Amino acid sequence: AQSVSQHNHHVILSEAASLELGCNYSYGGTVNLFWYVQYPGQHLQLLLKYFSGDPLVKGIKGFEAEFIKSKFSFNLRKPSVQGSDTAEYFCAVNTNTGNQFYFGTGTSLTVIP
Amino acid sequence: NAGVTQTPKFRILKIGQSMTLQCTQDMNHNYMYWYRQDPGMGLKLIYYSVGAGITDKGEVPNGYNVSRSTTEDFPLRLELAAPSQTSVYFCASSPHRGPVRNRNTIYFGEGSWLTVV
Repeated sequence: AQSVSQHNHHVILSEAASLELGCNYSYGGTVNLFWYVQYPGQHLQLLLKYFSGDPLVKGIKGFEAEFIKSKFSFNLRKPSVQGSDTAEYFCAVNTNTGNQFYFGTGTSLTVIP
Repeated sequence: NAGVTQTPKFRILKIGQSMTLQCTQDMNHNYMYWYRQDPGMGLKLIYYSVGAGITDKGEVPNGYNVSRSTTEDFPLRLELAAPSQTSVYFCASSPHRGPVRNRNTIYFGEGSWLTVV
């Protein structure tokens, strides 16, 4: 079975700081990669996704992620965070033929004014 | 479209009681999923379905049952509630048809907070 690792469990940043959240997966074949965000008390929403092509993917709200195949990684970045980015962030993986989505354990981000 | 709708949003159960979490989607998605979310544990797949009449176990199916009689509905049943089932439950769906970038995206409901006491 595939697995997804998010090594940062809790991150606290000041506003305007840069963000990078790590995500690594274990699967040797072709994968589809996702980042989801969960704002307090809400459901998960898609932030961005990678299927093929340019490994640098841009999502909503200024987020981007880079797929590095050789490192099995899909790290999430944002150059300057805001208070409204306080949320939990989940990395997820599935395959083109797979029925299941595998989620990481999530990273809780708190942005301090 | 309403998307994925779950009911109830909040429920308190006594140990040993049973209940059903309802989930319906109006996007004609053939894949549906039930996840539970526990602090620090991320999302764990309970059951999933690839179409009406077909269901499969996920990572943590024990203590739960599902059925999929229609494309739209995918209820999750707890037969004998236990404190370990206190969690937030998310229903989700995925189209799995059309272009890859559309079909391999999962859409979530707003969650059901369940407490077993």
